[in-house]
Amino acid sequence: EAQVTQNPRYLITVTGKKLTVTCSQNMNHEYMSWYRQDPGLGLRQIYYSMNVEVTDKGDVPEGYKVSRKEKRNFPLILESPSPNQTSLYFCASSNGQGAYEQYFGPGTRLTVT
Amino acid sequence: KQEVTQIPAALSVPEGENLVLNCSFTDSAIYNLQWFRQDPGKGLTSLLLIQSSQREQTSGRLNASLDKSSGRSTLYIAASQPGDSATYLCAVRWYNTDKLIFGTGTRLQVFP
Repeated sequence: EAQVTQNPRYLITVTGKKLTVTCSQNMNHEYMSWYRQDPGLGLRQIYYSMNVEVTDKGDVPEGYKVSRKEKRNFPLILESPSPNQTSLYFCASSNGQGAYEQYFGPGTRLTVT
Repeated sequence: KQEVTQIPAALSVPEGENLVLNCSFTDSAIYNLQWFRQDPGKGLTSLLLIQSSQREQTSGRLNASLDKSSGRSTLYIAASQPGDSATYLCAVRWYNTDKLIFGTGTRLQVFP
């Protein structure tokens, strides 16, 4: 089944404790991205990647890191999480050629205390 | 600045009604526009994707139209059902960027 998976789905952590949220897609998509969703602000793009070893900042990259060492994986790293990073995070992928239809993962709800 | 706006923020209708959700965007040089559905606490499901060269797309009871010159897209839902209750989001990609910009969504409730 074609899908985007994220892990963990729920995470509660404390300020400053490094964490990684994994994202994997099995559709051989070139384009992958991370979004956060907050009430009243909608979905905002954090980082995106057009292909392996190519990443770019989205609208809200501060406090986040990403890497794209393999085509299927695009982990999101929070080196020192803070309470303002409490949010619902989504990973997405799309075919870099043609329609650019985006496929989303199920989301990761992160709480930083 | 490239922005996407959705009005209304919330809509409540009785079952069976035909309804229209609106999406407005600044800068008409869009590459494509995509409509999504999001159920509470869940991810986004793609409904329809309209390329800049297209005027509309249809899938079942859904029809999305695109008018680049006026900076608008509408999502038409025919014969609404309680199962249509969800938040509907539109997202735009412009030619000069690889980013996808989302509207804040319209929360739809269809009551029996």
